[in-house]
Amino acid sequence: KAGVTQTPRYLIKTRGQQVTLSCSPISGHRSVSWYQQTPGQGLQFLFEYFSETQRNKGNFPGRFSGRQFSNSRSEMNVSTLELGDSALYLCASSLEPGGSYEQYFGPGTRLTVT
Amino acid sequence: QKEVEQNSGPLSVPEGAIASLNCTYSDRGSQSFFWYRQYSGKSPELIMSIYSNGDKEDGRFTAQLNKASQYVSLLIRDSQPSDSATYLCAVRYNFNKFYFGSGTKLNVKP
Repeated sequence: KAGVTQTPRYLIKTRGQQVTLSCSPISGHRSVSWYQQTPGQGLQFLFEYFSETQRNKGNFPGRFSGRQFSNSRSEMNVSTLELGDSALYLCASSLEPGGSYEQYFGPGTRLTVT
Repeated sequence: QKEVEQNSGPLSVPEGAIASLNCTYSDRGSQSFFWYRQYSGKSPELIMSIYSNGDKEDGRFTAQLNKASQYVSLLIRDSQPSDSATYLCAVRYNFNKFYFGSGTKLNVKP
């Protein structure tokens, strides 16, 4: 079974621009979560989607948003990019309902804001 | 604020030894606990999950959970240089909101 895929893998943007990242979960997985990982802050939870609905949200500004489609694929958007948004953005999927709650990560999108 | 604490290390062990990684969490309502391994430049890879008190073994890995003391640990037996990585402890809260520790860097010396 194919794993979680994320596109693009690398991205360079300029401050003030916006960016959209895409995530395709493991087939059959309906929950998709997004994380930001930086050397200073570690792995931080952004939000989680299940059945096209946002169920959980972390402590990030409104510039960070996401959505999930009916096929469970998810996108996250960051508007008005800041230098501090440079990070590895990770998507993880899990099997629900009735699953083990184990999350499996994609390879990530490395975003650099200049 | 729900917190997950790990010693950042580095933890250095010789090849063939047992590596012991520890994690404490703040919320007694936590039900699900996970260990991930992350190589430099790569994404986290799930190693173990544990949901009830006691030990759970999978190959060279053993996860231990003590809910009364609010800690979870990971033992790696017969450590290999390929085990050198950062190990992340994760705690699941309501629905799928996960909190991660900052990770412990493990170095296994040949």
